[in-house]
Amino acid sequence: ETGVTQTPRHLVMGMTNKKSLKCEQHLGHNAMYWYKQSAKKPLELMFVYSLEERVENNSVPSRFSPECPNSSHLFLHLHTLQPEDSALYLCASSQVIDRENTEAFFGQGTRLTVV
Amino acid sequence: SQQGEEDPQALSIQEGENATMNCSYKTSINNLQWYRQNSGRGLVHLILIRSNEREKHSGRLRVTLDTSKKSSSLLITASRAADTASYFCATALSGGSYIPTFGRGTSLIVHP
Repeated sequence: ETGVTQTPRHLVMGMTNKKSLKCEQHLGHNAMYWYKQSAKKPLELMFVYSLEERVENNSVPSRFSPECPNSSHLFLHLHTLQPEDSALYLCASSQVIDRENTEAFFGQGTRLTVV
Repeated sequence: SQQGEEDPQALSIQEGENATMNCSYKTSINNLQWYRQNSGRGLVHLILIRSNEREKHSGRLRVTLDTSKKSSSLLITASRAADTASYFCATALSGGSYIPTFGRGTSLIVHP
């Protein structure tokens, strides 16, 4: 266990569904991240929250909507996804001090399949 | 675009051999980190090396950093079948974003 918990671990959803991925960290970190990992592609950074404010939105389609209600929780709301959105979605957290990043701790990921 | 790029993309060795993976990056960094990922799981942090360090050890891991060449290497000595995984480098840019960015990774297979 890394102190970062993602739920659910697996999710199958239709293209018209709405679902949410949840991430929770118990490490007292001040930054949280969503990454997307597709086969044979680099790990893609999607969103970054630092001190509960979104600081990065990496040209992600609006069908992905992040939410960070507090420093311990991060959500990724999904709606009208496409089959190419099927991937492993990874949440991570880290402590950022003076713009120097410490190690990132990752959750186990949510394997998303869009049918 | 991703900052770190690992090489080779795939590496297959026998148990007991050493495994060397390389990472190249494009701009100045504050630090460089190596991570490991078992199939379909989250990434696990292995080691962090700062821009003013040249070499770092952790158990069977040895990391070097050459800022003049903008490259790093990860050496796993006396590999074991349990070392089979994907290995990623991540960089934090100096004077800019602290956000770790990753490459495609090196897929290592260690045959027993």
